[in-house]
Amino acid sequence: QAQLVQSGAEVTKPGASLKVSCKTSGYTFLDYGISWVRQAPGQGLEWMGWISTHNGQTNPAQKFQDRVSMTIDTTTTTAYMDVRSLRPDDTAFYYCARVVAWNYLDLWGQGTLVTVS
Amino acid sequence: QSALTQPASVSGSPGQSITIFCTGTSTDVGGYNSVSWYQQHPGKAPKVVIYDVSKRPSGISNRFSGSKSGHTASLIISGLRAEDEADYYCTSYTINSNIVFGTGTKVTVL
Repeated sequence: QAQLVQSGAEVTKPGASLKVSCKTSGYTFLDYGISWVRQAPGQGLEWMGWISTHNGQTNPAQKFQDRVSMTIDTTTTTAYMDVRSLRPDDTAFYYCARVVAWNYLDLWGQGTLVTVS
Repeated sequence: QSALTQPASVSGSPGQSITIFCTGTSTDVGGYNSVSWYQQHPGKAPKVVIYDVSKRPSGISNRFSGSKSGHTASLIISGLRAEDEADYYCTSYTINSNIVFGTGTKVTVL
């Protein structure tokens, strides 16, 4: 059964960096891209960007271009997202999701709560 | 890229039909047939219920349907049930080769 399993909750301080992982299984990793989406408490969903599992090419949302890096490890079929210079308003659930045809997100991780305080 | 516009809330009685609108521009909704809709229950990850404007993923009830006219997409939920109470988000592919989410709509079953 295809699934995405994310790393656990994190508490960190303003100015710090952190890395969230997204371990995939149950499907061919190279057949789909990976996208990252975040959701602040009580707020809506916000698309952060996506990464091709073929060549590692990324397309981050303009808002996150300077602070976010997305990478993959094809040997472990795991995707990663680094966020730098964290601010309190980065406190949110961060989700990874499988991308179909660079169009829609058909499989989601369970979410990782990041608290910046 | 600005968020797509959705009504903050929509409500209906069991058995009724409701429609959620999602308005964008020519650079997203109006320019591509790549609109998707996601259902999110409290404390859960989102789940896609419609993709490519009107297609349903396997396992999604045919009570969910979608359409698009110009810069506005619609999600119709017919035969409303208690389990349909959730937040709903639209998305669209954009001219910048990325995705933009809608502002989200809370559906209440009265």
